[in-house]
Amino acid sequence: GQQLNQSPQSMFIQEGEDVSMNCTSSSIFNTWLWYKQDPGEGPVLLIALYKAGELTSNGRLTAQFGITRKDSFLNISASIPSDVGIYFCAGFTYNTNAGKSTFGDGTTLTVKP
Amino acid sequence: DTAVSQTPKYLVTQMGNDKSIKCEQNLGHDTMYWYKQDSKKFLKIMFSYNNKELIINETVPNRFSPKSPDKAHLNLHINSLELGDSAVYFCASRDGGAYEQYFGPGTRLTVT
Repeated sequence: GQQLNQSPQSMFIQEGEDVSMNCTSSSIFNTWLWYKQDPGEGPVLLIALYKAGELTSNGRLTAQFGITRKDSFLNISASIPSDVGIYFCAGFTYNTNAGKSTFGDGTTLTVKP
Repeated sequence: DTAVSQTPKYLVTQMGNDKSIKCEQNLGHDTMYWYKQDSKKFLKIMFSYNNKELIINETVPNRFSPKSPDKAHLNLHINSLELGDSAVYFCASRDGGAYEQYFGPGTRLTVT
């Protein structure tokens, strides 16, 4: 089946630092999504990417859809304490009449004030 | 108003028991999902329903039985609970024409 490998698994950074994480797949996806999960909550969508090569920003977050359509990157600039959480990439596919997101393993981010 | 709600938030039970988790969404979406998040935080899809019809069943043991009485509700019943069923279960919904899923707050199930 489809697998998404996300790296790094965890990051410990100082407030103000920039963060980079990536996601690679053995399969092609037509849509890449990045979610954030706060402690004790469900994931919430941060950014959606629809075209190969697309670069999209949402505030301090920037994500890119890889040219091969098998990878995606998320960058966070000037991190702040509330950036703490688990970041998941997800590749979206349609299977018959159902849409399904396959999630990466997550990157756990810790920000030290 | 909560978009996707789940009850209960926490569920502690013994092995062998049967339990249910309920999910409701007030977004008018036609597709709903159940996910399992284990202790390593991996998020795995279990089921998907579209307009009350089961669309995706990801090789989940048949002790797990989803039921969708209407488009706004998707419940999960688990028979003969096992220690390995301990996890956080998330319900999610999606509008048919969009990619974004809206997740509920999760139900933490602990089987002792």
